[in-house]
Amino acid sequence: GEDVEQSLFLSVREGDSSVINCTYTDSSSTYLYWYKQEPGAGLQLLTYIFSNMDMKQDQRLTVLLNKKDKHLSLRIADTQTGDSAIYFCAESMYNTDKLIFGTGTRLQVFP
Amino acid sequence: GAVVSQHPSRVICKSGTSVKIECRSLDFQATTMFWYRQFPKKSLMLMATSNEGSKATYEQGVEKDKFLINHASLTLSTLTVTSAHPEDSSFYICSAQLAATLPYEQYFGPGTRLTVT
Repeated sequence: GEDVEQSLFLSVREGDSSVINCTYTDSSSTYLYWYKQEPGAGLQLLTYIFSNMDMKQDQRLTVLLNKKDKHLSLRIADTQTGDSAIYFCAESMYNTDKLIFGTGTRLQVFP
Repeated sequence: GAVVSQHPSRVICKSGTSVKIECRSLDFQATTMFWYRQFPKKSLMLMATSNEGSKATYEQGVEKDKFLINHASLTLSTLTVTSAHPEDSSFYICSAQLAATLPYEQYFGPGTRLTVT
C-alpha cells in the first residue's frame, strides 16, 4: 500500500538543526523527495535521493534514508526563520510518474 | 527556469456554476501534468494525471465528469470543476513534469484557492 507519514509539527530555535522525519510503507519506491511549501504557495523541490543511496548532502540539507526501516529524514543545519514552512516528503513508485506525498510537517523557527 | 503558473490564483463562485483553472509551463514543454487537491493542513492528494493529446487518468474516487481535464498543448492543462458545490472548496495545485533526465522532476504551480458559496 501507499502510506507516507510525518509528524505534524516541529519547533526549533534559530541556529539549531532541524530534523524532519518521514516513514513510508511501499518498498518499491525509486526516488524519495523533500518539498517545501510556504503559506499559500505551491511546492518547491528541495532535494531528492535515489532509493539505493543512504545519504545525500546538499549545502545545509542532509537526507538520510534507511530503506530497511522505510525511514527518511531531512536535517536542516543552522535553521533560519526563512526555513519556516511546511515540509513534505514524497515517494515515486517504480515504473510510474506519480508522487505519493506525506502528511506534511510544519516547521516553526523562533528567534 | 522550469516555471509553472496557475490562473486564477483565487476564485469565488456560486454553487452550481463551473470554474476553469489553467496550468501553464512557461519555459518548457510538458507532456505530462498533474492535478492535486490540498485540504487545509493536509497533504496533497493526486486527482489525475493529464497527458497531452490523450485522456486524463483519474485516481480512484475522483469523478471524471465533475473534474474535467484538458491538456490540449504541451504547455497548457486546464481543470474545470463543473457544477461546483461548497465541498469542492479547496486549494488546487498543478505540476508539470520535466522529462529530461531521471528523476522526472515535477514543477509545481502556486496553486488556486477555490471557494464555492
